[in-house]
Parts: sequence; C-alpha cells; structure tokens
Amino acid sequence: QTVVTQEPSFSVSPGGTVTLTCGLSSGSVSTSYYPSWYQQTPGQAPRTLIYSTNTRSSGVPDRFSGSILGNKAALTITGAQADDECDYYCVLYMGSGIWVFGGGTKLTVL
Amino acid sequence: EVQLVESGGGLVQPGGSLRLSCAASGFTFSSYAMSWVRRAPGKGLEWVSAISGGGGSTYYADSVKGRFTISRDNSKNTLYLQMKSLRAEDTAIYYCAKSLGGVNYPIDYWGQGTLVTVSS
Repeated sequence: QTVVTQEPSFSVSPGGTVTLTCGLSSGSVSTSYYPSWYQQTPGQAPRTLIYSTNTRSSGVPDRFSGSILGNKAALTITGAQADDECDYYCVLYMGSGIWVFGGGTKLTVL
Repeated sequence: EVQLVESGGGLVQPGGSLRLSCAASGFTFSSYAMSWVRRAPGKGLEWVSAISGGGGSTYYADSVKGRFTISRDNSKNTLYLQMKSLRAEDTAIYYCAKSLGGVNYPIDYWGQGTLVTVSS
C-alpha cells in the first residue's frame, strides 16, 4: 500500500522561508497526482491553501506557493508569521476515485 | 457563499450504527463530487469516501470499505454517510467536503465537522 510521506515537524523563524514536502513511499509525485495542501489549526476545520500542484485557493496570500521539487510536491511559505504555526497536510490522487493524505507536518514558528 | 453543515455525530457503542448528514448551500450541489474526511484524536487527516455529483459512483478507503456507505440526495442538497459496525478506531471528527469538480478534483471547501465517539 502506497504511503504519502511528510516531515512530521518543521521549524521556521519569523520572517523566514520554509519548504514542506510531500512524497511517496514508492515512486515520484507528479502533477498527475493533483497534489494539494491544507492547513489546520487546532479546533478548526481544515483550510484549502493550494490545489492541483500550484493553484492558490481564493483568499490565500501569495506567501504560500506550491510546486514539484525533484520527486516530491512542495509547499513553500515565505515571510513566515506567528499564525502560520499549525498543521499542514498534503493529499494525492491515487486514481480510481481514491485520495490519500500524508501524515501531516506540524510547523513551529519561533 | 459555500456552506457545509454536518450533523448526526454522537456517542455510539462498538458495533453500532450512525448516520451523518451534511447540508450544502451556496453552489449547484449536483455539479460537484463530495467527500468525507476524518481526523481521529492525535492523528492526521484521513480521506474516508467520495461520491460523484450524480451519485452513481462511490469510493471508499480500505479502512471503511464494507462498513460505511456514502450517498447524496441532490433534491435536498444533502450528503450522507451511513456508518455500521463501528469500531473504537472510527472515533474522529468527520468533515464534509466539496470537490472542485469530479471525484478526481481536490477539495476546496470544508464543513466544520461533527464528532463521532465510539465507546462503551
């Protein structure tokens, strides 16, 4: 069974830049997987940040960007702010109507 | 404005059943695939199930296949998740989510979630 991999945790300084990645236990992530990124703060519903590799959802600041880096999907946050501290999830489309989320990355801003 | 409002969560004993509902508004419901996603305590998001806009095609995660049934009533703009043979590991917040298009399109809107607790 294919596993979607993410860094369990990451740390960034206020104002800094961080790149979170989303990979596969076997194989490479491409645009065909429609990689998408979601942000979730404790006690809140998830919020869509990026869909289909690099399209920002409505209202998402351009500090957030998506791409393919090597064999993984990537979410880059520039000018990190205190309220960026939360959990980030990627999801990949496996075909046949099936989606699989990564385990999530807990981002700390300090 | 897109709104998704879940209901039907609660406490249920292991082996029991529960039906979740999601009332949708602010978009042409029948034109979009819909999904259920859950987050168990201390764990990450898990995609559970999806259904096409017309309701004719359904998809499930292996963890719920054969126990959960997704359905929709496009005349009522409502999505459902019938859950049977519930286990402790099904305890989670269940989110209703709208896709950008068909089932192969990512989620763009989320509901606030409804809590399901499976415990004796």
